[in-house]
Amino acid sequence: QQQVKQSPQSLIVQKGGISIINCAYENTAFDYFPWYQQFPGKGPALLIAIRPDVSEKKEGRFTISFNKSAKQFSLHIMDSQPGDSATYFCAASGQTGANNLFFGTGTRLTVIP
Amino acid sequence: ETGVTQSPTHLIKTRGQQVTLRCSSQSGHNTVSWYQQALGQGPQFIFQYYREEENGRGNFPPRFSGLQFPNYSSELNVNALELDDSALYLCASSLGAGPRVQFFGPGTRLTVL
Repeated sequence: QQQVKQSPQSLIVQKGGISIINCAYENTAFDYFPWYQQFPGKGPALLIAIRPDVSEKKEGRFTISFNKSAKQFSLHIMDSQPGDSATYFCAASGQTGANNLFFGTGTRLTVIP
Repeated sequence: ETGVTQSPTHLIKTRGQQVTLRCSSQSGHNTVSWYQQALGQGPQFIFQYYREEENGRGNFPPRFSGLQFPNYSSELNVNALELDDSALYLCASSLGAGPRVQFFGPGTRLTVL
């Protein structure tokens, strides 16, 4: 059972455009929602993270929007650049056991020059 | 401050063999989590070690085992390798039990023939 559902599977955006990736979860015990960026052959790198007590968090060109009632969160990449081309994973963890991360299936982003 | 390192980078084994993967945690981090990332998928939690004890386990069989050493480095051992064990094995380190902010290493690519 996929704890975190992510869409779309792939995304192509023009340089300068906005990239939007969506995730949904069911487990209300989740209270930490990070986004990771992964380049081919590399491990995931933490991009930005949010906790459910805020509805939005912005760091540079990256913004997380969080809707607690809908159990959804999304990543917005403003002014997308070719260097942003990578696979993005949303994840969630909660106050249970090892607080391990449950990952989405990933979104492969391609930014066209 | 050094980041998370993993060895080896790549490994090829045959079905039925045993393998040991190694991870050195980021300086100051005392918790190590291991994840399996199949091709085109998000990472899946295997287990976590905190203070040399297993602190949570995902849905993986007992032939996946681990160790954490006093310097917080860790090993992942997989016995009786199966073809489906072919994946990128990621180690993530963090501070404290049940942590949220996890920093990943570059991974070990295991191929089982």
